[in-house]
Amino acid sequence: GNSVTQMEGPVTLSEEAFLTINCTYTATGYPSLFWYVQYPGEGLQLLLKATKADDKGSNKGFEATYRKETTSFHLEKGSVQVSDSAVYFCALSAGNQFYFGTGTSLTVIP
Amino acid sequence: EAQVTQNPRYLITVTGKKLTVTCSQNMNHEYMSWYRQDPGLGLRQIYYSMNVEVTDKGDVPEGYKVSRKEKRNFPLILESPSPNQTSLYFCASSRLGGLEKLFFGSGTQLSVL
Repeated sequence: GNSVTQMEGPVTLSEEAFLTINCTYTATGYPSLFWYVQYPGEGLQLLLKATKADDKGSNKGFEATYRKETTSFHLEKGSVQVSDSAVYFCALSAGNQFYFGTGTSLTVIP
Repeated sequence: EAQVTQNPRYLITVTGKKLTVTCSQNMNHEYMSWYRQDPGLGLRQIYYSMNVEVTDKGDVPEGYKVSRKEKRNFPLILESPSPNQTSLYFCASSRLGGLEKLFFGSGTQLSVL
């Protein structure tokens, strides 16, 4: 079946630190991969996506590369800001079904 | 403004009392879907719809019904709610389903007593 596993949080970083949130997936076929971000009291918003192997998604300084050989889609940012504090969800779509990870809470302290 | 609107934002009910959570989108999207969010479990898809009168089960459809009579609306119906359906629910839509980004509503916090 299809599933997403992401690193558990919470993660606490100082401003300007490097961020990595690990995400691996299990899927039949060729899924599309996504990172969504959820701010308190809001719905999820798309952060970035990749639709085929070796694609790199990027947005607002965040990046993730679709690695088919390691079935991974790790999220990275070189220098986090306080405003990046949120919950991050890795997700895949297979056909028209979506599968989400459990979410990783990130807190960035000044 | 492009948006997905869910109502109500908060709902407290009792076991067995039928309820409906409404969802509407103004982007002419083909695809609409419902999710529940639970601590430690992330989001799980309940139902999705690719078009009017076409609905399919997601991962956790038991105890839920949906309908898609109009393109813009996709209500979630709990015929006989139980306490294990206490959760945060999100509606989402996208232009063409799995390849496109989802636009999420603000969520409905449901408590079943």
